[in-house]
Amino acid sequence: NAGVTQTPKFRVLKTGQSMTLLCAQDMNHEYMYWYRQDPGMGLRLIHYSVGEGTTAKGEVPDGYNVSRLKKQNFLLGLESAAPSQTSVYFCASSYLRVSRAGELFFGEGSRLTVL
Amino acid sequence: DAKTTQPTSMDCAEGRAANLPCNHSTISGNEYVYWYRQIHSQGPQYIIHGLKNNETNEMASLIITEDRKSSTLILPHATLRDTAVYYCIVRVAFGTASKLTFGTGTRLQVTL
Repeated sequence: NAGVTQTPKFRVLKTGQSMTLLCAQDMNHEYMYWYRQDPGMGLRLIHYSVGEGTTAKGEVPDGYNVSRLKKQNFLLGLESAAPSQTSVYFCASSYLRVSRAGELFFGEGSRLTVL
Repeated sequence: DAKTTQPTSMDCAEGRAANLPCNHSTISGNEYVYWYRQIHSQGPQYIIHGLKNNETNEMASLIITEDRKSSTLILPHATLRDTAVYYCIVRVAFGTASKLTFGTGTRLQVTL
């Protein structure tokens, strides 16, 4: 099992460019999440999904869009990148079962710099 | 979800037990206590969780006070590889997806 895989791991963008981060999980998890982490801060939830075809806003959704066309994939898009979106992005997934729903499995992160 | 309070940083000698406290005085009866850690630049890693009873797994032990207003994560024999930021989180035990709220955590430094 690869677990949760994020691509790309590093990316540099110019202001106004667009890009998509891909998250793939092979654990058949229902729930998937995108977080961002800025220096010295905790993780903040951007968007999440409770199943294929469904998405919902988290704490800091502005400037991002997401899609969950397949159960195993969760895409995070930046339509017009801004320097404020320079961050490390983490994807995570978790079980549907209530007893384990809080056990998130995280990817290794994608480091995005917007110039 | 209830708010948690953790010390900003702690030190521990290698081989000794590391006891990381967490205060969650506003916790509700249906909220679990979760612990995660984040080793430098990596994705957070789940450690353990509990509701009322103390819990133990291969990584750590979780001690929850009887009134559930605080808890302690215990790493019984800390190693240098345990140096990380440790997050204490509380969340509702059921319902929608686990929108875990990660604060700034406790930075544990394990030294020789």
